[in-house]
Amino acid sequence: AQSVSQHNHHVILSEAASLELGCNYSYGGTVNLFWYVQYPGQHLQLLLKYFSGDPLVKGIKGFEAEFIKSKFSFNLRKPSVQWSDTAEYFCAVRMDSSYKLIFGSGTRLLVRP
Amino acid sequence: EAGVTQFPSHSVIEKGQTVTLRCDPISGHDNLYWYRRVMGKEIKFLLHFVKESKQDESGMPNNRFLAERTGGTYSTLKVQPAELEDSGVYFCASSQETGPQETQYFGPGTRLLVL
Repeated sequence: AQSVSQHNHHVILSEAASLELGCNYSYGGTVNLFWYVQYPGQHLQLLLKYFSGDPLVKGIKGFEAEFIKSKFSFNLRKPSVQWSDTAEYFCAVRMDSSYKLIFGSGTRLLVRP
Repeated sequence: EAGVTQFPSHSVIEKGQTVTLRCDPISGHDNLYWYRRVMGKEIKFLLHFVKESKQDESGMPNNRFLAERTGGTYSTLKVQPAELEDSGVYFCASSQETGPQETQYFGPGTRLLVL
């Protein structure tokens, strides 16, 4: 079955540390890739997306993600996290012509000031 | 521009009762989706409307769930009768058009607790 895996369920970092959250999917066809973030008490917001072209995608708030097709991965990165990045992060994949998004289980990030 | 809104934000009901969740998509968005997150697990697709028509309801858990989108504007999701395992966060999302460039915008979710 098609699935999306986020390997880290909980991540704790200190401010200024670098961040990398893993996302892998199991599907051999064409994919669109997304990272969403949910800050405490807020709704899901789109951080960045990949449809085609340059596999290195830059999003809001200094986040970026790299699509590596051979590894079926779309890892999220940020060179220096801030306390305000404390949130839950979701990787989502849309496969071929399907409309629905398939989500990973989410990663809770806590950034210590 | 207003985002996707959902009502109520929280609902606590007893097993066997009925609950109706509402979603107002972004104005002009023909596509409306319902998703659900149960017990901290992954967010799962429930169904997809294009205007007032159900495009895909393959994710609906069972016939206790009924979604409508009369007039192609807001949507309701009714759970009747509610069971304990229905507890979770119900998200609504909308998008302007389907296709390779589609981006879904999510509402804040409704937290449902069935006791």
